[in-house]
Amino acid sequence: QSALTQPASVSGSPGQSITISCTGTSSDVGGYNYVSWYQQHPGKAPKLMIYDVSNRPSGVSNRFSGSKSGNTASLTISGLQAEDEADYYCSSYTSSSSGVFGGGTKLTVL
Amino acid sequence: QVQLQESGPGLVKPSQTLSLTCTVSGGSISSGSYYWSWIRQPAGKGLEWIGRIYTSGSTNYNPSLKSRVTISVDTSKNQFSLKLSSVTAADTAVYYCARDVVGSSNFDYWGQGTLVTVSS
Repeated sequence: QSALTQPASVSGSPGQSITISCTGTSSDVGGYNYVSWYQQHPGKAPKLMIYDVSNRPSGVSNRFSGSKSGNTASLTISGLQAEDEADYYCSSYTSSSSGVFGGGTKLTVL
Repeated sequence: QVQLQESGPGLVKPSQTLSLTCTVSGGSISSGSYYWSWIRQPAGKGLEWIGRIYTSGSTNYNPSLKSRVTISVDTSKNQFSLKLSSVTAADTAVYYCARDVVGSSNFDYWGQGTLVTVSS
C-alpha cells in the first residue's frame, strides 16, 4: 500500500485560507468516503481534525473543513491563526483493509 | 474519556524483538465498534501504520512489516501489544497506539507515544 501524496509544505498569512491536498487511488481515497485528517504539533501525538471526508469531531474549530473529488481529498483551514502552524496528515480506508497515511504537510503561518 | 498509554523498553538491541504494550482506560477494549492500532513515526518523518487488532483477535498488518509483526490483545487487562522482531536502526521511532473506528480507519484517540531506539 503506497503512501498518499501530500505537498511537503504550504504557508499562509493570519486570516487567510489554505488548502492541503491528499491524492490516492480508487483503492483508497477515491473508493471510500473514509478520509481523515490529523494535526500534529511538535513533540505531540496526532489529533483527529476531520473524519469521513468532511465531519468534524466535537471541539474542533469550524475553521477546519474537508472535501473530496475523485481520488483527491482536501483539507481547508480558513481564518488562519498562529496556533494552526503544525504538520497535517491525511489517512484513508483501503480496499485491502490496511491503514495508509499521507507523507505529511508542514503548514507555516507567516 | 478514553485514554491510551504505551509502555515498554526505550532501548532495544539490533536483531532483537521490540515489545510494547498499550493500556486502554475509560473504555472497554472489547467494544465491537473499534480496532486497536499501532502506528510509528521516525524522527522528522511521517506516520506509518503498523497494524491493527480486533477484540476477537483478528489482525491486519502493513504488508511491508507483516513478516516481523505480531499484535495481540488481552481483554482481561484492557491491553493490546506489539512485537516487532529482528529490529534494525531503521525501526527507531516514536511508537503510538490508537483507537481505530471499525470500517473507516479513523484514528480518534491516540496515546502520547513512546520513543524506541534500536542501538547496541
